Amino acid sequence: ELKVEQNPLFLSMQEGKNYTIYCNYSTTSDRLYWYRQDPGKSLESLFVLLSNGAVKQEGRLMASLDTKARLSTLHITAAVHDLSATYFCAGANTGNQFYFGTGTSLTVIP
Amino acid sequence: DAEITQSPRHKITETGRQVTLACHQTWNHNNMFWYRQDLGHGLRLIHYSYGVHDTNKGEVSDGYSVSRSNTEDLPLTLESAASSQTSVYFCASSESIERPQHFGDGTRLSIL
Repeated sequence: ELKVEQNPLFLSMQEGKNYTIYCNYSTTSDRLYWYRQDPGKSLESLFVLLSNGAVKQEGRLMASLDTKARLSTLHITAAVHDLSATYFCAGANTGNQFYFGTGTSLTVIP
Repeated sequence: DAEITQSPRHKITETGRQVTLACHQTWNHNNMFWYRQDLGHGLRLIHYSYGVHDTNKGEVSDGYSVSRSNTEDLPLTLESAASSQTSVYFCASSESIERPQHFGDGTRLSIL
């Protein structure tokens, strides 16, 4: 079973600040995914990372993958209120089963 | 526009009853997934399918079943509903494992 751990679980940050969410996983994962979920809503895909060293950026969010360290990061640059949401990372094992972290609840304070 | 729809959006039922949650996608994706979301657990995979007549068990499959008779639909059945199955259920589909999953809006199921 692939275990996926995110930290922090809760994050309160001021607008304009930078911060990083960490996603550690227990065994080899070929792929790493990041999703965003607004309260009471569905999940929206942010990034798909398919190889060691992969880096993807969209607006103020940047995700990276280090398969040797079994670590993915989601970096937030100059946070704005609209980024307030819960962020999930998920890994997939060789049997193509997906395992999600418990999520990081992000609140951006004006 | 292509979409993935779940029905019903909310359901209340009693323990022991059979319940079926519908999932329909118009993306023409081969891959479809069912998850449950519970506080403190994130999303957990229940069942998944990579094509017609293909079904696979996920991490928490006990008490659930699926069938895939066509590309568009993957209904999830709770054979005999239990209170522990009270949850929010999400269906998702993807073009391939290397592509992101598209999620439905979820079904909130309460079992009393």
